[in-house]
Amino acid sequence: KAGVTQTPRYLIKTRGQQVTLSCSPISGHRSVSWYQQTPGQGLQFLFEYFSETQRNKGNFPGRFSGRQFSNSRSEMNVSTLELGDSALYLCASSLPTGLSMNTEAFFGQGTRLTVV
Amino acid sequence: AQSVSQHNHHVILSEAASLELGCNYSYGGTVNLFWYVQYPGQHLQLLLKYFSGDPLVKGIKGFEAEFIKSKFSFNLRKPSVQWSDTAEYFCAVTQGYGGSQGNLIFGKGTKLSVKP
Repeated sequence: KAGVTQTPRYLIKTRGQQVTLSCSPISGHRSVSWYQQTPGQGLQFLFEYFSETQRNKGNFPGRFSGRQFSNSRSEMNVSTLELGDSALYLCASSLPTGLSMNTEAFFGQGTRLTVV
Repeated sequence: AQSVSQHNHHVILSEAASLELGCNYSYGGTVNLFWYVQYPGQHLQLLLKYFSGDPLVKGIKGFEAEFIKSKFSFNLRKPSVQWSDTAEYFCAVTQGYGGSQGNLIFGKGTKLSVKP
């Protein structure tokens, strides 16, 4: 089956601009999570969505936001971009808790965002 | 706040050597523990996971990990590494029952280089 698809793969933006990243989960997966990966901070949890509702949120400023649509696709938005927002943004999808103890998070290839 | 520590930033081994990567977490309650691997140019993949039961878990590609609750540790082991194991390895944790992987807290990762 198709994996987690993230678009675009690469993006260059200017400081102060805003950006929207997209994630299409594996068919049937209703939980979508976002992570930021940088060389200095490693992988950091941004937020998790399930059934169009934010279920968990990491420790990021309000400039980072997201949403999930009824078809489970998710977008994340970063407003007023800063140089420090340059990172690989990863999306992961999984089955929601309760349906299976053997649930696994499947990751996409990521979107490489460069802020100049 | 929950945190995960990986002791080694970069490990260099020769083929056939044994591997042990350390991982410690800070939360004292019920946890779910994971090891992920990121091969060069590829997406994150799950190596193995622990939810409950036998503290010695076996994963793919000959990897195993042992959960030692008293030490808050979940070290990854492999008896004999191959050149193809060259990758970055991430320990991760979620809190609570059910094995949810929606809000993974990751360690900073350990780069493993295996010399042929």
